[in-house]
Amino acid sequence: AQKVTQAQTEISVVEKEDVTLDCVYETRDTTYYLFWYKQPPSGELVFLIRRNSFDEQNEISGRYSWNFQKSTSSFNFTITASQVVDSAVYFCALIQANSKLTFGKGITLSVRP
Amino acid sequence: DVKVTQSSRYLVKRTGEKVFLECVQDMDHENMFWYRQDPGLGLRLIYFSYDVKMKEKGDIPEGYSVSREKKERFSLILESASTNQTSMYLCASSLPVQGREGEQYFGPGTRLTVT
Repeated sequence: AQKVTQAQTEISVVEKEDVTLDCVYETRDTTYYLFWYKQPPSGELVFLIRRNSFDEQNEISGRYSWNFQKSTSSFNFTITASQVVDSAVYFCALIQANSKLTFGKGITLSVRP
Repeated sequence: DVKVTQSSRYLVKRTGEKVFLECVQDMDHENMFWYRQDPGLGLRLIYFSYDVKMKEKGDIPEGYSVSREKKERFSLILESASTNQTSMYLCASSLPVQGREGEQYFGPGTRLTVT
């Protein structure tokens, strides 16, 4: 069985603050893939990143960075210098072999000007 | 640019009506999915399809059926709409490559209200 937990439900920050969105996962497989998606107010989920279980290297893309730690089964997402346009619902997700994509419940991020 | 389109952004139907939600993708993806999204419940998979004329039940298939007659089109059918099917419906597609199945491209969603 696989499971994704996003313990934070809502986060509110002021523009230019850094914010970290937590994601903890459970899986028995050694091969799996982790994802983050963004759902802005318009409603369309947008794929942000994919990470496989054999690659623990952190990833940075502009103001976005991801920290993958197998030891704690976590795949956290940090937004540096947040902006109002970052306001959205963010989903972490997991897929393992021969299974379906499992989403966490999502975190609603509000960035106030 | 990758594109998934859904036939309606907003839809209002009456209880008992048969409802068709259409989804079209232009990426030549084999995999297509239908989810519903409800507050506090996240995304739940209704049905998916790995190829034309193939369909598999997801986590909550009751009250729904699907049709995939062409690779680019995946339809969700509510046989007899009920008020508890009021929800946001999201269609997605992906490649059938290990790991890439989770890299899904979503449509804008259809907000269905059943009265």
